[in-house]
Amino acid sequence: DAMVIQNPRYQVTQFGKPVTLSCSQTLNHNVMYWYQQKSSQAPKLLFHYYDKDFNNEADTPDNFQSRRPNTSFCFLDIRSPGLGDAAMYLCATSRGTGTDTQYFGPGTRLTVL
Amino acid sequence: SQKIEQNSEALNIQEGKTATLTCNYTNYSPAYLQWYRQDPGRGPVFLLLIRENEKEKRKERLKVTFDTTLKQSLFHITASQPADSATYLCALWGYQKVTFGIGTKLQVIP
Repeated sequence: DAMVIQNPRYQVTQFGKPVTLSCSQTLNHNVMYWYQQKSSQAPKLLFHYYDKDFNNEADTPDNFQSRRPNTSFCFLDIRSPGLGDAAMYLCATSRGTGTDTQYFGPGTRLTVL
Repeated sequence: SQKIEQNSEALNIQEGKTATLTCNYTNYSPAYLQWYRQDPGRGPVFLLLIRENEKEKRKERLKVTFDTTLKQSLFHITASQPADSATYLCALWGYQKVTFGIGTKLQVIP
């Protein structure tokens, strides 16, 4: 059974056109993360929510925003996608932070034309 | 600055042999280290966690070591199989977050 679901799996957008990526979880975990992973690079943490508390990484561009309306769902909004934002976006969850295992979704591959 | 180094070159080994992957780090004092497997076009999958006070951890054909003096973790897959072919990422907890390495691509040749 899928535990962390990401929709869509593939997203194509135009340069500058806002796009929203979706993540949902059936694990009832407190923490939800968004990572950006470019080809042959490490997943890079953009931000995470601990319950409703939002934690932004210092080097995450303002172009990236997130919403978590409830425990199960989290959204990644890219306000004005540039060509450099083309990447795989990974959502992950964990019960807590620290040693708790992160469970990843399958990712959304974003293409910017 | 903090740095995690994994051999970005692919590792090719013969089926049945032991694969050994390396994760080195600088400017970290991680309380623990994790290893994940990532298949092409998929999200990482957790494999093992080892804490700073543990020298070695095993799970089936997998073994992880953690040397805080050398600032290094080794990840071993014994009796490797073609199905073990994937990219393996190490991840460190430090500075209030988990940071991933670039991963090493393992190819097990039948």
